[in-house]
Amino acid sequence: DTGVSQDPRHKITKRGQNVTFRCDPISEHNRLYWYRQTLGQGPEFLTYFQNEAQLEKSRLLSDRFSAERPKGSFSTLEIQRTEQGDSAMYLCASSLARGGARPEAFFGQGTRLTVV
Amino acid sequence: AQSVTQPDIHITVSEGASLELRCNYSYGATPYLFWYVQSPGQGLQLLLKYFSGDTLVQGIKGFEAEFKRSQSSFNLRKPSVHWSDAAEYFCAVADTGRRALTFGSGTRLQVQP
Repeated sequence: DTGVSQDPRHKITKRGQNVTFRCDPISEHNRLYWYRQTLGQGPEFLTYFQNEAQLEKSRLLSDRFSAERPKGSFSTLEIQRTEQGDSAMYLCASSLARGGARPEAFFGQGTRLTVV
Repeated sequence: AQSVTQPDIHITVSEGASLELRCNYSYGATPYLFWYVQSPGQGLQLLLKYFSGDTLVQGIKGFEAEFKRSQSSFNLRKPSVHWSDAAEYFCAVADTGRRALTFGSGTRLQVQP
């Protein structure tokens, strides 16, 4: 399977705990995006990487959130001291942004986080 | 800032009937436009995209969409809906720089037998 993969698919955690999600993009894609989707809403942009550099963070990304993409391959999104408002689907997408490549993003299946 | 409006929160159609889902966008330049479909608890699947050129674009599963610059619209159509098309549909616009997507709030499609 050469698509975008995310792990875990589901995570239930107690309020105040830390959680980490992983995203493996399509191998030749140099851009990686994180989005958050709450129930009944469209996904909202959180942050993106070009190779290993984090180029932008949305104002939705509070100080409790941190994302990394070491060596420009997989990425992790960590949430510290989780709150009930963090409950959402976290989606990862990747695309190729080089030369004449079209800006077509492919999404993973998402990680559903429930904070209890 | 760019934005996307999907005026219809929920649409119900009969199987075999035609479908049109509306999408209006706001963006200062020529946009990149997309339609994605999402089944419950799943990620997003790209249905079709518009970058430039022919304003009528064909996608997967028999869907098509028409870009109308004068109306800032990118409506999704299908001539004959199948029960398996029941899902949530999202329209999105990408800026030409960072290419991050801005999504509409989605339209939930229900298909009646």
